[in-house]
Amino acid sequence: QKEVEQNSGPLSVPEGAIASLNCTYSDRGSQSFFWYRQYSGKSPELIMFIYSNGDKEDGRFTAQLNKASQYVSLLIRDSQPSDSATYLCAVNNPTGGTSYGKLTFGQGTILTVHP
Amino acid sequence: NAGVTQTPKFQVLKTGQSMTLQCAQDMNHNSMYWYRQDPGMGLRLIYYSASEGTTDKGEVPNGYNVSRLNKREFSLRLESAAPSQTSVYFCASRQSTGSEQFFGPGTRLTVL
Repeated sequence: QKEVEQNSGPLSVPEGAIASLNCTYSDRGSQSFFWYRQYSGKSPELIMFIYSNGDKEDGRFTAQLNKASQYVSLLIRDSQPSDSATYLCAVNNPTGGTSYGKLTFGQGTILTVHP
Repeated sequence: NAGVTQTPKFQVLKTGQSMTLQCAQDMNHNSMYWYRQDPGMGLRLIYYSASEGTTDKGEVPNGYNVSRLNKREFSLRLESAAPSQTSVYFCASRQSTGSEQFFGPGTRLTVL
């Protein structure tokens, strides 16, 4: 089983819809969770991070964390064509200690928002 | 403020050649990282440096060496390149007390 696994894509949604991206992780000791967006040919950029169970909202983005189920998700409301990108889930590797900030990434989900 | 810079942007090597990928950050971050990204594989950690003077192996260190030259610079060396090392390489840095890793623009390496 992969340490961090994302729902297989590609995911295609119409403009204005809600895009739902999911991620599961295997290590129960994981402490912090990140969503990065990566446009084609570009480097990853952080869009959300979450540490505590529940929801965290930032504009059109909502991150949801359920540590009991080892599940983290990203919802994008009112999806726009500019949201078309690969979304990477990353989990802090606890064996390195939070001070090292080692991240384990999922394989990414390609999202396409069509007009 | 340039953030994280990487050189070169593109490189083509023949099998067995060596090269060094350079990375520098001007954000006074303590920790630096090297990743490789292959299609459908996400990002995999090669080596990291928690602070100046220390380096540690990540998930896929074989065939690579690193040097943390000073607080700003962290280089990745391929001593004898192999086609399996064809990939996009990203350098990242992080302030030890923060959470976000900032990524450089990447180096696209092809080994023939």
